[in-house]
Amino acid sequence: QQQVKQSPQSLIVQKGGISIINCAYENTAFDYFPWYQQFPGKGPALLIAIRPDVSEKKEGRFTISFNKSAKQFSLHIMDSQPGDSATYFCAARGYGGSQGNLIFGKGTKLSVKP
Amino acid sequence: DAGVIQSPRHEVTEMGQEVTLRCKPISGHNSLFWYRQTMMRGLELLIYFNNNVPIDDSGMPEDRFSAKMPNASFSTLKIQPSEPRDSAVYFCASRTPGRANEQYFGPGTRLTVT
Repeated sequence: QQQVKQSPQSLIVQKGGISIINCAYENTAFDYFPWYQQFPGKGPALLIAIRPDVSEKKEGRFTISFNKSAKQFSLHIMDSQPGDSATYFCAARGYGGSQGNLIFGKGTKLSVKP
Repeated sequence: DAGVIQSPRHEVTEMGQEVTLRCKPISGHNSLFWYRQTMMRGLELLIYFNNNVPIDDSGMPEDRFSAKMPNASFSTLKIQPSEPRDSAVYFCASRTPGRANEQYFGPGTRLTVT
């Protein structure tokens, strides 16, 4: 299975709150899980990424939590700011016939209200 | 570093016309990806190249689409003939070599076929 399922489709959070976006996958061969951030009119930009040998990675206000047994990973944005308003994509990469190919989730549109 | 460069940024054409999208990857990157983004289907991989060689073109929708990478610093995506359903934003991305595997996206080309 090559799908990556992302939820929710959209999210509204108050300034200072925590934004949580979830992703699930089925292919246990996936070995790299990045999150991309996309602002309107721009290309997606790598935000943070994790490999399955760790359960959590934190960079500033952004944290990835990874649950290998459940095949789920999530992005947490602490102290959300209006400038974080963007579309967020999770992705997964597997080796084998599709080495280097990222499978993207459908995206989550985050709006942070002042 | 100028990042991934795409041209044109916007293209409006009539159904049946040929469209050529261009991409210059980041110098030193050895993989190049073409994606299409629509509201309905999200971000879809069309084709990707490793060291200028097409590796996986299973995402190319049909024979009207073709892609070339004549050298490490240039790639084209051609649609001939174009159809209204091809209207989308087309992104080019390039990837760092080695295990880092980070993809960097260009700003995209917004294609409108009338």
